[in-house]
Amino acid sequence: SQQGEEDPQALSIQEGENATMNCSYKTSINNLQWYRQNSGRGLVHLILIRSNEREKHSGRLRVTLDTSKKSSSLLITASRAADTASYFCATGLNSGGSNYKLTFGKGTLLTVNP
Amino acid sequence: NAGVTQTPKFRVLKTGQSMTLLCAQDMNHEYMYWYRQDPGMGLRLIHYSVGEGTTAKGEVPDGYNVSRLKKQNFLLGLESAAPSQTSVYFCASRLLTSSGRAIGTQYFGPGTRLLVL
Repeated sequence: SQQGEEDPQALSIQEGENATMNCSYKTSINNLQWYRQNSGRGLVHLILIRSNEREKHSGRLRVTLDTSKKSSSLLITASRAADTASYFCATGLNSGGSNYKLTFGKGTLLTVNP
Repeated sequence: NAGVTQTPKFRVLKTGQSMTLLCAQDMNHEYMYWYRQDPGMGLRLIHYSVGEGTTAKGEVPDGYNVSRLKKQNFLLGLESAAPSQTSVYFCASRLLTSSGRAIGTQYFGPGTRLLVL
């Protein structure tokens, strides 16, 4: 079953506005990652936040993690048309030794209108 | 440094035909993964490998086989293709450091679109 669930499924904003996407998950995790996928392309890693971290920044990206609520949010500030893409959260869990896997959510489709 | 590459980019098969998808990475990563992506379903893990000569089942392994004969290559085989296997297939790889610590980031290939008629 899917571990991460993004919300909303789709988001349309104007260039310059901020975009916020949320991710909820069900079980304990080691880390949570956000990936971007442009149409017809592979996924690109954006940011990783560990379970003992609460907030992380990378350029215009800000990620928060609330392990008590099992949720994370991705904020993109001052959005640009080039940010138009699908965004996926992925939860990582070490279930012993090398048995490490990521479980992806269904994604949020972000459209930034010029 | 090409990263993760996949061949072919697109393929059409008839039901019952077989084919092999090739994934290659030049980053000396230990871990490699095969996912499928279907509309509204996100990515689902098919099989993965934690090193040369090893493979393991993921979430949706039925109808697929894999091999990791060389560290840099991870092959996904469809023995008898079915329309339900129409999908976009992504390969990914991940680094294991010299200290044995796995780095969480996965690097993805551009994908293979497969249509089974």
